[in-house]
Amino acid sequence: QSFLTQSPSASGTPGQRVTISCSGSSSNIGNIRNYAYWYQHLPGTAPKLLIYRNNQRPSGVSDRFSGSKSGTSASLVISGLRSEDEAVYYCSAWDDSLRGVVFGGGTKLAVL
Amino acid sequence: QITLKESGPTLMKPTQTLTLTCTFSGFSLTTPEVGVAWVRQPPGKALEWLALIYWNDAKFYSSSLKSRLTVSKDVYRNQVVLRMTNMDPVDTATYFCAHDSVGDRGFDVWGQGTMVTVSS
Repeated sequence: QSFLTQSPSASGTPGQRVTISCSGSSSNIGNIRNYAYWYQHLPGTAPKLLIYRNNQRPSGVSDRFSGSKSGTSASLVISGLRSEDEAVYYCSAWDDSLRGVVFGGGTKLAVL
Repeated sequence: QITLKESGPTLMKPTQTLTLTCTFSGFSLTTPEVGVAWVRQPPGKALEWLALIYWNDAKFYSSSLKSRLTVSKDVYRNQVVLRMTNMDPVDTATYFCAHDSVGDRGFDVWGQGTMVTVSS
């Protein structure tokens, strides 16, 4: 059971724009003081931070990746889809009720 | 450059206590707002946050595992240690440590992870 809800899978063709959503609650994403984070994870590697503080990109992360937050949900948009974007994408946020970090269940992205 | 590396046993028996060490470089756990987290991933499953320790020794634990977890830091050795008691086969996972640079509870640099298998 994950406290943040993500669709298990998503897909797109090269060049397309894909949106991955993350649904939470008022105790995590829905609290304006709690930021949403997005990570890209390839099997056998360390997760990579893609988006921090809802919509900020770390240096070195392609501007094809963008994030947003609205209400109790957050979204990751990948533009100009590439084959190397095939990975599992996780959202996370702080949860005030649990006093801990919660992750989504992950969305496996396939580039067809 | 910030790096983190996890170390510990690869194979454990049920009921044993797991001790994992995260050895890091490129930052100090005496710097305000800085923290180190532990996250695990069972085979084929999602990431699961376990624990978080900050520069001021503030500690946070997963509510579902709190009774079994202890996190501590050694600022002189640049290490964070996670102890998990009463290991069970369901605890078989890759365990990661990760860096929180500004106390936001997001993690900008991760270790490569270490696989721990629990089996009788």
